[in-house]
Amino acid sequence: DAGVIQSPRHEVTEMGQEVTLRCKPISGHNSLFWYRQTMMRGLELLIYFNNNVPIDDSGMPEDRFSAKMPNASFSTLKIQPSEPRDSAVYFCASSLWLAGGDTQYFGPGTRLTVL
Amino acid sequence: QKEVEQDPGPLSVPEGAIVSLNCTYSNSAFQYFMWYRQYSRKGPELLMYTYSSGNKEDGRFTAQVDKSSKYISLFIRDSQPSDSATYLCAMSEETSGSRLTFGEGTQLTVNP
Repeated sequence: DAGVIQSPRHEVTEMGQEVTLRCKPISGHNSLFWYRQTMMRGLELLIYFNNNVPIDDSGMPEDRFSAKMPNASFSTLKIQPSEPRDSAVYFCASSLWLAGGDTQYFGPGTRLTVL
Repeated sequence: QKEVEQDPGPLSVPEGAIVSLNCTYSNSAFQYFMWYRQYSRKGPELLMYTYSSGNKEDGRFTAQVDKSSKYISLFIRDSQPSDSATYLCAMSEETSGSRLTFGEGTQLTVNP
């Protein structure tokens, strides 16, 4: 059974460019989470969805960041325009429900470098 | 002040040692306590999960939660080189669903 799939695995771009990160959650999972991980700030929750609806986007750092989930099997995180401080590893995770203690399954991450 | 504090280490131990990893937290509403393990250049994976206070054991791993002290621990017995990874504690409230707050992570190296 496939886990959470993320693409691309690595992205190098120049400041000012648009970046789109993609995620396919585990089939049948109803909740999807986007995280950012850096050495300085650790693992931060950016936004999460339940049944394709955004529930909490308070972790999105700026208006330059946006996320969508057009259907149950696909989500995107977009950064426009990108800045060097956006360099980080971005993880997508999914869980069966949005219930306390429900296990989140993480994808392999997208390593983003903004020059 | 962060809601969850975790010593980032790094921690280096010899093979066979007992390892103790700890987190403290300030939010008394946290009810679900987890430990995730993250290997280098991989996503975190759930290792242990505890609801409210108490202990839970799974093979060489034991998770402890002391809600009165707002302190959780993960013990690894007979540590192995394959345990070398970053360990992240994570917590959530009863009412916030599976929205997790993570500690910074402790980087552990077990030397053969």
